[in-house]
Amino acid sequence: DQQVKQNSPSLSVQEGRISILNCDYTNSMFDYFLWYKKYPAEGPTFLISISSIKDKNEDGRFTVFLNKSAKHLSLHIVPSQPGDSAVYFCAASEVGSQGNLIFGKGTKLSVKP
Amino acid sequence: SQTIHQWPATLVQPVGSPLSLECTVEGTSNPNLYWYRQAAGRGLQLLFYSVGIGQISSEVPQNLSASRPQDRQFILSSKKLLLSDSGFYLCASRQGRLKAFFGQGTRLTVV
Repeated sequence: DQQVKQNSPSLSVQEGRISILNCDYTNSMFDYFLWYKKYPAEGPTFLISISSIKDKNEDGRFTVFLNKSAKHLSLHIVPSQPGDSAVYFCAASEVGSQGNLIFGKGTKLSVKP
Repeated sequence: SQTIHQWPATLVQPVGSPLSLECTVEGTSNPNLYWYRQAAGRGLQLLFYSVGIGQISSEVPQNLSASRPQDRQFILSSKKLLLSDSGFYLCASRQGRLKAFFGQGTRLTVV
């Protein structure tokens, strides 16, 4: 049973517009959430994270929103750039879980010039 | 920041052959170490994690094993590879509640 779900396998956005990537989770014990970006044949690189005590965290063009009651988080990229084209993974970890990160299946973002 | 070294980058192995993938970590001590696999069309599946030397936990039943002979060394092994072991293997390191760092991955193709 998937604890972290990214229901959109792909997303296509025009350059300069907003990209919104969504993630849902089922485990109410998750208290820390991260977004990773992955290019083909490379390891994921960290983008941004958010603790469950917050509902928003912003870093440059990237903003993550957390809605605990809905068990939903989203990553907003504004403005989107062609270099943002990659697979984006949502990950979550639980208090006292040895730091294990549980990942979603990823969303492939394509930003068209 | 941490640097994760993984090798080889690509590997083609016949069914039934053994496997050894190595991962070493720089820039930290006593990290939690992880092996993930990304199979075609799937997300990142956690295979093993280790909180210290000689301590290995397995997340899924499988044909693979892991070992941690040194603090910053993590090895993924198999005695006999199966076709279903093909995938992209990633080593990761995390300290406490901080972000995890990933290696560049190994593309394993079992033929």
